[in-house]
Amino acid sequence: DTAVSQTPKYLVTQMGNDKSIKCEQNLGHDTMYWYKQDSKKFLKIMFSYNNKELIINETVPNRFSPKSPDKAHLNLHINSLELGDSAVYFCASSPPGTSGFTLHFGNGTRLTVT
Amino acid sequence: QKEVEQDPGPLSVPEGAIVSLNCTYSNSAFQYFMWYRQYSRKGPELLMYTYSSGNKEDGRFTAQVDKSSKYISLFIRDSQPSDSATYLCAMSGGSNYKLTFGKGTLLTVNP
Repeated sequence: DTAVSQTPKYLVTQMGNDKSIKCEQNLGHDTMYWYKQDSKKFLKIMFSYNNKELIINETVPNRFSPKSPDKAHLNLHINSLELGDSAVYFCASSPPGTSGFTLHFGNGTRLTVT
Repeated sequence: QKEVEQDPGPLSVPEGAIVSLNCTYSNSAFQYFMWYRQYSRKGPELLMYTYSSGNKEDGRFTAQVDKSSKYISLFIRDSQPSDSATYLCAMSGGSNYKLTFGKGTLLTVNP
């Protein structure tokens, strides 16, 4: 069984479009995250939700809006896509009591903006 | 100065070699130190974590933390081709759910 699953795996779209990425985890974790990995493999946190409450919101453009309908799901909506948004977006979750340092990652969504 | 510095490599070694991977950091508030392994086209997976200074061993892998030097290492003994991956160090202050990652070192173990 897949622990953290993201859809879609690949996303190719044009500048200016709006797109969403979905994430689900079946590990029973309370905390979920969105990380962005750029072309140089640098992995940086974007958002984190704990029990559906936003707890981390890094300096990310307002065009990015996360939503957590419940503890097991975290979605990312991106408006007005730009070329610089091309990256791999990883969803992750962490168990309670670890303060987020034992992350379980999905396999990423490869976003290409043309 | 970046918070976490990691030599991106690439690093290529023969099978059976001892591999040493390293990171330095500048933030003295970091208390938890992690190593993640990322295979191509996959998400990172946690290999090991240590709290504060000291060593931790798990099979062929040993993690070392020297907080006085702000330097962490991962040693892989008897390296195998299946160890070929990108290794990312990560650090946390402990209570804020935020990890700061290094850029990763690409390791290739040649049979």
